[in-house]
Amino acid sequence: AQSVTQLGSHVSVSEGALVLLRCNYSSSVPPYLFWYVQYPNQGLQLLLKYTSAATLVKGINGFEAEFKKSETSFHLTKPSAHMSDAAEYFCAVSKGNTGFQKLVFGTGTRLLVSP
Amino acid sequence: DVKVTQSSRYLVKRTGEKVFLECVQDMDHENMFWYRQDPGLGLRLIYFSYDVKMKEKGDIPEGYSVSREKKERFSLILESASTNQTSMYLCASSPIRTSGLDRRNTIYFGEGSWLTVV
Repeated sequence: AQSVTQLGSHVSVSEGALVLLRCNYSSSVPPYLFWYVQYPNQGLQLLLKYTSAATLVKGINGFEAEFKKSETSFHLTKPSAHMSDAAEYFCAVSKGNTGFQKLVFGTGTRLLVSP
Repeated sequence: DVKVTQSSRYLVKRTGEKVFLECVQDMDHENMFWYRQDPGLGLRLIYFSYDVKMKEKGDIPEGYSVSREKKERFSLILESASTNQTSMYLCASSPIRTSGLDRRNTIYFGEGSWLTVV
């Protein structure tokens, strides 16, 4: 069964610092992996997705993630944090081998950005 | 832009009440989902539907039912609300491509419905 583990429920960075949010996955089949962002009082918005093409995936708002099969990881990074990046971030893995696109989500990491 | 609309953003209901959460999408998507979001637990799938009148249980279906009479609308029903159903509920939709193994679809989420059961 597919699952994801997000390390750290909260991550604090200063504005301009590197952002690194960790996600490790478990999957018995080649996974499809996703990062979603949730701003306060809003739904989830797709940041980026890995679908077995390039291992380095670029997303919106300057974020990117690298799929590392040997480490079963899909960590999210951004070179320089902005105040507007403060939000909750969810890693997810696609479950099942049909087209239904059911996702299994991690527990989320809240990113705090200080001036 | 894809729009997933949840009719009620904030609801307060009493224990034992029947509660309806409505969701409408405007992109002719086949798949629709209801998730529940709780602090420290992330999102958990309650039910999903891949076609009109078709539904399947997700990971936590107990205490919930769903209805999909039209393709664009997916309703979540709490038959008898309980305090442990106080949560944020998120509706989502996604298209199915014609090739069954192509899973590159994006799931689109609504803004969520905050339900408090007192």
